[in-house]
Amino acid sequence: DTGVSQDPRHKITKRGQNVTFRCDPISEHNRLYWYRQTLGQGPEFLTYFQNEAQLEKSRLLSDRFSAERPKGSFSTLEIQRTEQGDSAMYLCASSSRDSTEAFFGQGTRLTVV
Amino acid sequence: AQSVTQLDSQVPVFEEAPVELRCNYSSSVSVYLFWYVQYPNQGLQLLLKYLSGSTLVESINGFEAEFNKSQTSFHLRKPSVHISDTAEYFCAVSDTGAGSYQLTFGKGTKLSVIP
Repeated sequence: DTGVSQDPRHKITKRGQNVTFRCDPISEHNRLYWYRQTLGQGPEFLTYFQNEAQLEKSRLLSDRFSAERPKGSFSTLEIQRTEQGDSAMYLCASSSRDSTEAFFGQGTRLTVV
Repeated sequence: AQSVTQLDSQVPVFEEAPVELRCNYSSSVSVYLFWYVQYPNQGLQLLLKYLSGSTLVESINGFEAEFNKSQTSFHLRKPSVHISDTAEYFCAVSDTGAGSYQLTFGKGTKLSVIP
């Protein structure tokens, strides 16, 4: 068990470009979460999957953001037409059924220039 | 909806001194309470949690936190800190009735242990 892994660790993109991040949760975990953390703030919830179903989305998740978990395993988070305000650390977490403990990846740091 | 307030953004403390990191929350529903720690260049790790039962919970590395319902607080304490405790600490809550267990975090407190 290698924990939650996220790829890439760092991404620099020009404003207006699309970016996609990947998260591989711990293998037996059916719950997967995406959070966003900006400088000086704690992580903020973006969205939640149980298996392949996206069950909750935050109002922070604008229509430029889309997340998928097609086979209930890995997940992708895509940001279209990136803006400078999208610059942040994007964190993925997973947990097992009925567990309150979430395991976090190291995050993907996005810089939009 | 819930909110979490961590009153101190930075706490410097000398090695072997005691420390308290403060956390207050606001919620209209019953919550679970958590402290997560983030060491430099690492992901968030669960330090301890309160779900029910004894209001005093402990971690394996000497930290403890006490749930105070009347004061809506969940302060984190350690009687004697080590250099290795230098990290950022996040207090978080989740709605006990929500199936997702999504977390609402505070802004974090950076603990710096001075040799």
